[in-house]
Amino acid sequence: DSGVTQTPKHLITATGQRVTLRCSPRSGDLSVYWYQQSLDQGLQFLIQYYNGEERAKGNILERFSAQQFPDLHSELNLSSLELGDSALYFCASSPLEREAFFGQGTRLTVV
Amino acid sequence: GENVEQHPSTLSVQEGDSAVIKCTYSDSASNYFPWYKQELGKRPQLIIDIRSNVGEKKDQRIAVTLNKTAKHFSLHITETQPEDSAVYFCAASLGTGYALNFGKGTSLLVTP
Repeated sequence: DSGVTQTPKHLITATGQRVTLRCSPRSGDLSVYWYQQSLDQGLQFLIQYYNGEERAKGNILERFSAQQFPDLHSELNLSSLELGDSALYFCASSPLEREAFFGQGTRLTVV
Repeated sequence: GENVEQHPSTLSVQEGDSAVIKCTYSDSASNYFPWYKQELGKRPQLIIDIRSNVGEKKDQRIAVTLNKTAKHFSLHITETQPEDSAVYFCAASLGTGYALNFGKGTSLLVTP
């Protein structure tokens, strides 16, 4: 167990809908990263937050947004969902300037 | 965005043989290069990492080498065991931070 908690583990929703994925980082970790893993695109970095502020941005679609709250948990919001958004979404956390540890992921299926 | 190329995409070895996976990166500012192992349906797990001020690092049967001039790094697993079978990902940091660009992965199969 990495200490990073993601909920829910599985999510099935319809095209056009909006969902929120939640991540609780390891105790003391200020950085949270979101990654998307799909068969065709592999593991892609989406976005990083550090202590509530956006720190780095990757290949995140405009339909997606994230935030980190004062208690350091983070949420990834996915809207206007398309079939191609079906993927495993991982959250990882780290203290700043240290390696990141991944949560178990949320498997999103868009039907 | 910056790319990380990983080869081979699949690798099959016999138990006891060595396995080598190679990666190249394009971001000159990258200074952190981790390797992750992912078993089916599970999260990626960090197995070894190297920073740009180091050329080689070893941890038991696993070693990583980095050639910053050529922008490539490699994972070496010696005396492979069936439990080493998994998908291995290389990654390079986005600049000097810890957000990562990943390679496409290598599916390693170790047959008894």
